[in-house]
Amino acid sequence: GNSVTQMEGPVTLSEEAFLTINCTYTATGYPSLFWYVQYPGEGLQLLLKATKADDKGSNKGFEATYRKETTSFHLEKGSVQVSDSAVYFCALSDLKTSYDKVIFGPGTSLSVIP
Amino acid sequence: GAVVSQHPSRVICKSGTSVKIECRSLDFQATTMFWYRQFPKQSLMLMATSNEGSKATYEQGVEKDKFLINHASLTLSTLTVTSAHPEDSSFYICSARDRGRQPQHFGDGTRLSIL
Repeated sequence: GNSVTQMEGPVTLSEEAFLTINCTYTATGYPSLFWYVQYPGEGLQLLLKATKADDKGSNKGFEATYRKETTSFHLEKGSVQVSDSAVYFCALSDLKTSYDKVIFGPGTSLSVIP
Repeated sequence: GAVVSQHPSRVICKSGTSVKIECRSLDFQATTMFWYRQFPKQSLMLMATSNEGSKATYEQGVEKDKFLINHASLTLSTLTVTSAHPEDSSFYICSARDRGRQPQHFGDGTRLSIL
């Protein structure tokens, strides 16, 4: 079945450092890929998405490229800020095989220190 | 953008109480809504899929008599935790999908604490 694997956290970075959070997936169909962010005590917000191979999703300085050959969707940001401290979830949905269910990775906690 | 409102944001109640959580899509019609449960420092686990005008589809291991879901209109789904016990304490999050579109839009969650 479909699944999502993320790098384990927590990740602690200094302000302005480069961020990479690895995400790989397994899917029987052709999924859409997402990154969601959850700030402390809040629900999830969509950060970015990509729906087909080689698509690059980007938002608020974050980027991720849909790599079908490596089944990956790694999240990157060139210079993190303290306000980026949150939990990041990689996710996929596949209308054909999962009836639009979203499968989430385990989440990666990011702490950015001044 | 699409907005999903969840209410209440926090509930503290005694064991044995039934608690209702509302999920509303504010600016779009949601034929499908989803209910998730999140334990501390863990990912979201889908509990059930709620379809307007029909019975909810529950994931394996989720007690449908314990977690009652009603989706009576295109903008409202409710989750009722019946006879709640301390082990039901968790963060419950709903999401909604506009007709035929991705992605899902999430509410801000409800922190349920059963004493």
